[in-house]
Amino acid sequence: DTEVTQTPKHLVMGMTNKKSLKCEQHMGHRAMYWYKQKAKKPPELMFVYSYEKLSINESVPSRFSPECPNSSLLNLHLHALQPEDSALYLCASSQDSPGGYQPQHFGDGTRLSIL
Amino acid sequence: SQQGEEDPQALSIQEGENATMNCSYKTSINNLQWYRQNSGRGLVHLILIRSNEREKHSGRLRVTLDTSKKSSSLLITASRAADTASYFCATDNSQGGSEKLVFGKGTKLTVNP
Repeated sequence: DTEVTQTPKHLVMGMTNKKSLKCEQHMGHRAMYWYKQKAKKPPELMFVYSYEKLSINESVPSRFSPECPNSSLLNLHLHALQPEDSALYLCASSQDSPGGYQPQHFGDGTRLSIL
Repeated sequence: SQQGEEDPQALSIQEGENATMNCSYKTSINNLQWYRQNSGRGLVHLILIRSNEREKHSGRLRVTLDTSKKSSSLLITASRAADTASYFCATDNSQGGSEKLVFGKGTKLTVNP
């Protein structure tokens, strides 16, 4: 079992739908991340939150909208996605400093399919 | 941009053998990390090695770092079928105080029983 919980595990949506991915951790971590991972590829960073403030947006299209309602929760709101957005979306957290200074703890991801 | 590059891309060994995976990177780093990913699962942190360290051990894992060659290796001794997974190195960037961790392409390890 991982300490970072992501829901749902699988999501199929049409290109006109609006949905949200959720991520929760109760380790008291203050840095949280969204990654996108395509099959047989490494994770690619999308967003970084540090102390509930967005600190990095890797030029992600506006159809992806992150939100950090509190220190334990991270959401990714999806709207008008494209088929190429189909991927595994991973959430991660680290104790306080974003980046490489501390280990990141990953959830098992949401596998997203866009029809 | 890709920072780490692992080789080999795929490695198949017999149970009990040792597995060595290599990672090369391009820019100066503060830290290098290794992660494991089982099929369909999230990544699991294995070891973090700082730029002023040369070697680190954790159980059957041994990581080395050579900053002069911008390379690291992960050795798994006495491998088990349960070690079958993809292994990624990940680096930060010491220039500009980067908050990003950039993952290499990964090595897919298969341990045959």
